[in-house]
Amino acid sequence: AQSVSQHNHHVILSEAASLELGCNYSYGGTVNLFWYVQYPGQHLQLLLKYFSGDPLVKGIKGFEAEFIKSKFSFNLRKPSVQWSDTAEYFCAVPRGDSNYQLIWGAGTKLIIKP
Amino acid sequence: GAGVSQSPRYKVAKRGQDVALRCDPISGHVSLFWYQQALGQGPEFLTYFQNEAQLDKSGLPSDRFFAERPEGSVSTLKIQRTQQEDSAVYLCASSPGDWSLSGTDTQYFGPGTRLTVL
Repeated sequence: AQSVSQHNHHVILSEAASLELGCNYSYGGTVNLFWYVQYPGQHLQLLLKYFSGDPLVKGIKGFEAEFIKSKFSFNLRKPSVQWSDTAEYFCAVPRGDSNYQLIWGAGTKLIIKP
Repeated sequence: GAGVSQSPRYKVAKRGQDVALRCDPISGHVSLFWYQQALGQGPEFLTYFQNEAQLDKSGLPSDRFFAERPEGSVSTLKIQRTQQEDSAVYLCASSPGDWSLSGTDTQYFGPGTRLTVL
């Protein structure tokens, strides 16, 4: 069965630092890949997604992610973070043997120091 | 409203009580999901509805959990004889299309219901 690993549970950065959050999955078939974000006090919302085409995907607020099939990875990046990026970030992939189920990583709590 | 709403936002139950959690999806959305999120974890899939049809309930942890969406809009997640291990945030999400066809639609989440079982 599919599994998803987010290696960093807590990340603390200063403003203007570069960000990379890791996401690795185990299932090697055709995958759709998602990053969701939960800002403090807000609902989970889509940050970006990949399902085909250019493996470098751009999302909202300057975020991007690169799908590297050979590494089973979909890491999230941002060249220069802002205090407002403080949030929890979740990676999710379809289960593989189900059309309906997403498997979610445990999340990474990102704190940006002003 | 424009988004997914859930009620109540917080629920405290004594062990053994039954609870009912409500989800109002975005109007017209075909797909509806329920998730359970334990503290410090990502959401875990519970069940999926396509309109009124419950197409996947394999994530429901026990037969104490029951979900319905009788008219293809509002959904209710019911937990009977609550146990302490049921304490979690229960999230509802809706999606505009038939998720089974492509699995690429955005899921729009509600604020969740935080259930605490004493």
